[in-house]
Order: sequence, then structure tokens, then C-alpha cells
Amino acid sequence: EVQLVESGGGLVQPGGSLRLSCAASGFTFSDYYMDWVRQAPGKGLEWVGRARNKADTYTTEYAASVKGRFTISRDDSKNSLYLQMNSLKTEDTAIYYCARPPSALGGPPIFWGQGTLVTVSS
Amino acid sequence: DIQMTQSPPSLSASVGDRVTITCRASQGISNNLVWFQQKPGKAPKSLIYAASSLQSGVPSRFSGSGSGTDFTLTISSLQPEDFATYYCQQYKSYPLTFGGGTKVEIK
Repeated sequence: EVQLVESGGGLVQPGGSLRLSCAASGFTFSDYYMDWVRQAPGKGLEWVGRARNKADTYTTEYAASVKGRFTISRDDSKNSLYLQMNSLKTEDTAIYYCARPPSALGGPPIFWGQGTLVTVSS
Repeated sequence: DIQMTQSPPSLSASVGDRVTITCRASQGISNNLVWFQQKPGKAPKSLIYAASSLQSGVPSRFSGSGSGTDFTLTISSLQPEDFATYYCQQYKSYPLTFGGGTKVEIK
């Protein structure tokens, strides 16, 4: 069974930094692309970015709203995905979900964790 | 970026009703579309992928259709557990983009 467990959320001041983690189990983590998706309180879903697998040289994609501030990385030896968030803004307040496509060839984020809440406030 | 426009933003319906939600892409995405259902306080759950393929374990009252720019999600007979918010998402190109959501409420 695919399991994704996010951690690392919390309260941070504007301009601050935070690192989220996603622990994966139930599948061969190294084979898959992995995504971060967020949802501001009472709002819709926003794709944050993607980390490709080793076969695709671990390249990344980002939404324009976070590019240059957020960095997605992964450690296949630990079955873990990370989201380093710098220069945080109040509008980054959201639940952050880790998600996985259905196959190693990519596709949409089908399997989701339960999310971790990030609050950016002074 | 590809913009995804869902309609209506919300609807009220009764148990047993047939419900249709539409999603329009700002440019052609072939069949690279997924539908999600989200209930309050929960993560989204995928229902339909590749525009019309039912995800394993999803009831057959859910169906999807469309290709190119226009897509629909249909619930043939609305059940109490179907009251939720529904989102479409395109995965034809980066950035992956979601529709604004359709909240299905009890009439």
C-alpha cells in the first residue's frame, strides 16, 4: 500500500524558512516522480512542483509562484522527499501535500499524503 | 500556462440526481485530465484519470468524458457520500494546473 507521510509544518514568520519532509513507503520510491501540492485555507488546490527520478536525472519543475524561493529535493536512500521553503510570504500559508503519480512514467499526482500545515504569520 | 475553468463553482442537488460538472482547458490537452474528489479535512482522492478511466475502487456511478479542451464529470445517481468538492487537473504540460473546484451541496 502506498503511504506518504508529511512532516515539518508549523508557524514561521514572513521572510523565514522551513523544510518539509515526506516519508514514503509501500513502493519503490526511487522509481517515481514526486510532487508537492498545496491548499490555502478555504481555497483550491495549487501544484507546487515536481522532482523527477534518477532515470531523468532528478530534474525539477516549479510553479511560478514559488520558483526561486522553494527547492524540491529527494533522498532515495531514505525514501524521502523534501521541500525547502525560503523567503516565505503570508500567501504561502497552506496545507502542503506530498503526492505520487500512478506510474514511473509520470502522470498526475494520484496518491496523496494527509498533508502538513504551514502558517506564515508575524 | 494552461488555464482550467470549472463550472459551476457550486451546485445544490438531491440524492438520486444526475450531476454534471464541466472543465474547460485554455488549450488542447488531449486526454491528459484527472478528476479529484475532496471532502472537508481530507486529502483529495482521484476518481478518473486520462479523462475517462475510472480509478480502481471508485463506484461506477462516476464517469468522465471529453478530449481536447472540454471535459465532463458525471455522477449518474448522487449518493450522500458524494457531497464534496470536485477538482479537475491537466497534466499535459508544466505547470500542472487545477480547476477552481465545484462544491456539490445537499439541496
